[in-house]
Amino acid sequence: DGGITQSPKYLFRKEGQNVTLSCEQNLNHDAMYWYRQDPGQGLRLIYYSQIVNDFQKGDIAEGYSVSREKKESFPLTVTSAQKNPTAFYLCASRDRAHGYTFGSGTRLTVV
Amino acid sequence: EDQVTQSPEALRLQEGESSSLNCSYTVSGLRGLFWYRQDPGKGPEFLFTLYSAGEEKEKERLKATLTKKESFLHITAPKPEDSATYLCAVQDKTALIFGKGTTLSVSS
Repeated sequence: DGGITQSPKYLFRKEGQNVTLSCEQNLNHDAMYWYRQDPGQGLRLIYYSQIVNDFQKGDIAEGYSVSREKKESFPLTVTSAQKNPTAFYLCASRDRAHGYTFGSGTRLTVV
Repeated sequence: EDQVTQSPEALRLQEGESSSLNCSYTVSGLRGLFWYRQDPGKGPEFLFTLYSAGEEKEKERLKATLTKKESFLHITAPKPEDSATYLCAVQDKTALIFGKGTTLSVSS
């Protein structure tokens, strides 16, 4: 079945450490997105990519980086510059015919 | 600036007690209004997309409607399994802009 796979489901980061969240889709969608969700907050856009080898900053890109070397993959790195990284991270992909599909999320906690 | 506001933040219903969730929006040129259901610790699950004022869509006990300034998600005779957070979002030029959601609790 087609879908989006996010891994890991839970991730723990030490102070000053960079961590990478994985997002893979087999839907053949061109566009992919990363959102952050905090308790009581809506989803906020971190980065998006509409085509391979191209990506754009969203509303809260500071302290994050991405790459889009393959159509299927859009990994998100949370760098040490992100001072408050504890949150639930959601990846999505989109095509114009079928709309958006979301992954099951990664919960990142700073320890 | 495009903006989405959902109300109420939380709603408690008895099983069978119908109600509505509101989503008001400001956007320069609506390219679609989306409703999602989200269970705790899970990703959003797609419910409906509406594109023009007057449009309505139904799925089981849920019905979504759209005007030029707001959308309503009507829930008829809810059951405990309808308990979840319901998210509203609008499509801008590049991505979805989300409201903060309404957390619905239905007790038997």
